[in-house]
Amino acid sequence: GEDVEQSLFLSVREGDSSVINCTYTDSSSTYLYWYKQEPGAGLQLLTYIFSNMDMKQDQRLTVLLNKKDKHLSLRIADTQTGDSAIYFCAEAWRALTFGSGTRLQVQP
Amino acid sequence: DAGVTQSPTHLIKTRGQQVTLRCSPKSGHDTVSWYQQALGQGPQFIFQYYEEEERQRGNFPDRFSGHQFPNYSSELNVNALLLGDSALYLCASSWGGQSGANVLTFGAGSRLTVL
Repeated sequence: GEDVEQSLFLSVREGDSSVINCTYTDSSSTYLYWYKQEPGAGLQLLTYIFSNMDMKQDQRLTVLLNKKDKHLSLRIADTQTGDSAIYFCAEAWRALTFGSGTRLQVQP
Repeated sequence: DAGVTQSPTHLIKTRGQQVTLRCSPKSGHDTVSWYQQALGQGPQFIFQYYEEEERQRGNFPDRFSGHQFPNYSSELNVNALLLGDSALYLCASSWGGQSGANVLTFGAGSRLTVL
């Protein structure tokens, strides 16, 4: 079956880099996604990566994919207090399957 | 350009009642998906509607049903509510003709509390 796992919590200081990790099980996933959810809001798509890519960079965001180990990571450079939120990774062959989310806390 | 709009934003029901949640997709989108997000969890896929038909369904009982209208808006109905149905219900829209990544636009959700 499909299963996506993430660590629950990450705390960093403002200006540092944040790395959020995710493992997934469905090898048929064609795309993998990172979403952000702020309090009281829906999910906002941050970025996604095609399964035949190893890395994708988009401004402060870097996504790394290790398809052999089914491991996905999101690196946020120069983390700001406005980056404090819950981050979800998701895999999709058909419908999206989400992890439980990683709460990122950015300390000033 | 309005994104995905959902109503109501909050509602309280009692066990055994029925509820209807509504969603208007983003302009230009014709596909609507519904997700249930329990507290502290990630969203779980309920079903997806395209061309007024249910195209995919997640692992949810028949108490959960939906509908899509000709203007692409959608409703989620839940019958015989249980305490465990308390959650944030998220609607997401997309364009059915897109190839490549399944890019969804989410609404802010309807928070349902069942007492």
